[in-house]
Amino acid sequence: DIQMTQSPSSLSASVGDRVTITCRASQNIRNYLNWYQQRPGKAPKLLIYAASTLQSGVPSRFSGSGSGTDFALTISSLQPEDFATYYCQQGYNTPRSFSFGQGTKLEIK
Amino acid sequence: QLQLQESGPGLVKPSETLSLTCTVSGGSIGSSSYYWGWIRQPPGKGLEWIGNIYYGGSTYYNPSLKSRVIISVDTSKNQLSLTLTSVTAADTAVYFCARGMYFYDSSLLKRDAFDIWGQGTMVTVSS
Repeated sequence: DIQMTQSPSSLSASVGDRVTITCRASQNIRNYLNWYQQRPGKAPKLLIYAASTLQSGVPSRFSGSGSGTDFALTISSLQPEDFATYYCQQGYNTPRSFSFGQGTKLEIK
Repeated sequence: QLQLQESGPGLVKPSETLSLTCTVSGGSIGSSSYYWGWIRQPPGKGLEWIGNIYYGGSTYYNPSLKSRVIISVDTSKNQLSLTLTSVTAADTAVYFCARGMYFYDSSLLKRDAFDIWGQGTMVTVSS
């Protein structure tokens, strides 16, 4: 099974800050990597697919990068609505097996 | 606008079977353009993929749950179903259904992701 490890597990930042969350896969997954945002009590929302492509309607302050085993999600200037938990998800062995990272909780400093 | 709505009992006894339904509205569950999945989230914890069902009926499950899970589709009712047998307290979670969509990346390679999710339904396993 492919394991996904996110860091940090939690992060405190201020409105306007630039933040980066990383995700590491236990083996090469090329760019089969998606990012989701989950606000408390809500369903996850797709932000980025294929490691770096912004889903329609997602603000351009979100960006994704990486390939192989190391990936990053960057928010260029934090807005109040961005304080949430973020998950990476691999689908390399699609359609056989998916897995999520453990999540990164982004909190207001 | 496609919407997904999970439904089912909120309380299941240990050793019994959990059965959930996801009703799809605003679109067809039988389209070859999509697949469908179940994901769960224990209280205060992260997301765990349960399994997917693809056009044509092929299913793939999380190896840790494979012996206890069945996912199926009823196209006549436009519904997705999840059956999880022999539940324990560890199966207590919010259960989400989601649509898997295919995309093309910048190199025109086919990729996919869960692009639409239901609101989730809480299931507690307790006697």
